[in-house]
Amino acid sequence: DIQMTQSPSSVSASVGDRVTITCRASQGIGTWLVWWQQKPGKAPERLISSASNLQSGVPSRFRGSGFGTDFILTISSLQPEDFATYYCQQTNSFPITFGQGTRLEIK
Amino acid sequence: QVQLVESGGDLVKPGGSLRLSCAASGFTFSNYYMMWIRQAPGKGLEWISYLSSGGTIYNADSVKGRFTISRDNAENSLYLELSSLRAEDTAVYYCAGGGSHYYGMDVWGQGTTVTVSS
Repeated sequence: DIQMTQSPSSVSASVGDRVTITCRASQGIGTWLVWWQQKPGKAPERLISSASNLQSGVPSRFRGSGFGTDFILTISSLQPEDFATYYCQQTNSFPITFGQGTRLEIK
Repeated sequence: QVQLVESGGDLVKPGGSLRLSCAASGFTFSNYYMMWIRQAPGKGLEWISYLSSGGTIYNADSVKGRFTISRDNAENSLYLELSSLRAEDTAVYYCAGGGSHYYGMDVWGQGTTVTVSS
């Protein structure tokens, strides 16, 4: 099974800050990496697929990059609505696996 | 609009069984792969079962032999039969699906809660 490890597990930041979240796969997955945003009590929403493809309607302050085993989600200028939990997910092979999540909190 | 609506979540005793349903609307259900994902209280997301449009099934080891995924394309519905339930199966269960699993899930339901407790 491919293990997905996110860091940090939580981060405190202020509106306007730049934040980066990393996701490491235990083996190469090419670009088969999806980033999700989840708010309390809601289903996750897809931000980025194929490591770097921004989903329609997602603000351009979100950016994904990476290939193989190392991936990054960058939020360039935090907005109040961005405070949430973020998950990476590998879709290269079954079992599909998620990272443990990164909780983004307001400082 | 594109929508998935889960139902069937309940409080059940350890060792018990349950059937979850997921009703799809607003898209051609038969063309979509579907899956179940769960989230234990205060925890992260866990993929548990996948069913392709062509009938291929994958299950997570944590539910293999206990949970069964199925679909009825005529009824635009996805199901998950849960048996031999354990306390650690307590979670919100989401159905989700899309055109290709490589790109993640295009649509999610709102979730249904399964609580396993005596």
